[in-house]
Amino acid sequence: DIQLTQSPSFLSASVGDRVTITCRASQGISNYLAWYQQQPGKAPKLLIYAASTLQSGVPSRFSGSGSGTEFTLTIDSLQPEDFATYYCQQRSSYPPITFGQGTRLEIK
Amino acid sequence: QVQLVESGGGVVQPGRSLRLSCAASGFTFSSYAMHWVRQAPGKGLEWVAVISYDGSKKYYADSVKGRFTISRDNSKKTLFLEMNSLRAEDTAVYYCAKVFPNYHDTSGYFDQWGQGTLVTVSS
Repeated sequence: DIQLTQSPSFLSASVGDRVTITCRASQGISNYLAWYQQQPGKAPKLLIYAASTLQSGVPSRFSGSGSGTEFTLTIDSLQPEDFATYYCQQRSSYPPITFGQGTRLEIK
Repeated sequence: QVQLVESGGGVVQPGRSLRLSCAASGFTFSSYAMHWVRQAPGKGLEWVAVISYDGSKKYYADSVKGRFTISRDNSKKTLFLEMNSLRAEDTAVYYCAKVFPNYHDTSGYFDQWGQGTLVTVSS
C-alpha cells in the first residue's frame, strides 16, 4: 500500500499569511494526488486534483504542485474560512486508495 | 444539483450487522463508480470500498474485506454498504462519495460527498 505522510500535522497561522503543506508518498505516484479541506462536522471538499488542477469554484489562493513522491498545497493570503483540516489522497496504486493523516490549520 | 444522502447509521452491538444506504440525485448515478469513506471520531479519512458503475467490480480495504459488502441499485439511484461482524474499531462517520473526473473509473478522486451517517459499535 502507498503511505502518504503530511507535514506538519499541525500549523498555526494568521489571516493574510501564506502557508504550505507537504505530502510525501512512500513510492512514486506520478501526479495522481488530490487535496481536500474539511471543516469540523462537515464532509471533505475537493480543492485540487491531479496534483495541480484547481477544482471548479475553489478560490485561486489555493494551489498545488509536485510529482512523483513530493507534493505541496499552498494557500496564499489566508482567509478566516481557510482554517480547517487538510488531507491529501492518492489514486495511483489501488486498492487501497489512501489518505494522508491530515494537517490541522489553526488561527494564531 | 448533486445530492448524496446517507442513512442507516446508529448504535449496534459488536458482532451484529447494519446496512447503510446512500440516495443519489442530480447526476446520472448509473454512469458513476461510487465509494464509501469513513472517519473515526477525531481521526483521519479511511477509504472503505468502491463499486463500479454497473456493479461488476468491487474493491475493499483490508480492514473490512470479508465483513462488508458494497452494492448498488441503479434503478433506485441508491448505494449500499452491508456491514457484518461489526467491531468497535468500525465506529465512524460513513460517507458515500462520487468518483471524479472519470465516471467509469473505479479509482479517482471524490468531488461530491454526502453529509455522513454515524455508526457506533458498542455493547
